[in-house]
Amino acid sequence: AQSVTQLGSHVSVSEGALVLLRCNYSSSVPPYLFWYVQYPNQGLQLLLKYTTGATLVKGINGFEAEFKKSETSFHLTKPSAHMSDAAEYFCAVSAWMGGSQGNLIFGKGTKLSVKP
Amino acid sequence: DAMVIQNPRYQVTQFGKPVTLSCSQTLNHNVMYWYQQKSSQAPKLLFHYYDKDFNNEADTPDNFQSRRPNTSFCFLDIRSPGLGDAAMYLCATSRGTGLGSGGPGGIYEQYFGPGTRLTVT
Repeated sequence: AQSVTQLGSHVSVSEGALVLLRCNYSSSVPPYLFWYVQYPNQGLQLLLKYTTGATLVKGINGFEAEFKKSETSFHLTKPSAHMSDAAEYFCAVSAWMGGSQGNLIFGKGTKLSVKP
Repeated sequence: DAMVIQNPRYQVTQFGKPVTLSCSQTLNHNVMYWYQQKSSQAPKLLFHYYDKDFNNEADTPDNFQSRRPNTSFCFLDIRSPGLGDAAMYLCATSRGTGLGSGGPGGIYEQYFGPGTRLTVT
């Protein structure tokens, strides 16, 4: 079974500061890992994903994440926060099991606030 | 642009009055999902269709039903909405879940619609 833990339900940063959103996963098989962003009253938009291969994954809007198997982590970073980054961010895991791709398992989300 | 469309974006219904939420897609994806998302919580999968095959999550209440008349459309029916059913309902699609060009080793991404916010009065 898979699970996801996002550390910190709220994170606040100043504009121009580093963004770090933490995600740890649990999976008995090699995981697929995702970060989604959700703006108020909108659906989820895929920021980036890790499947296999390169462990540093670059996504949209300047975000990137690094898969660290030894730490079971997939933290999301952005060097310089913009006001438009204020949103809720969800980490999710799925895996290949029994001949089919498993469902997405979401973390509880981290709300990012960006101060001027 | 290919996309996932949900109508209406906002729906108000009365306690116990049946309501239907609509999702359509122009991506020609095989799989369509319905999620429930309550305030400040993660999306919770209710069920999904793989083509015409319906897959219900074990903890989805019987009050929630779904129909998929064709590839493009999927409906969420709430037979007798309660106050606890007030939430954002998200539709998502993906190309598949099984063996194919997407996996194993590949991946089938899910594409989300903008959601329908349901209020129960």
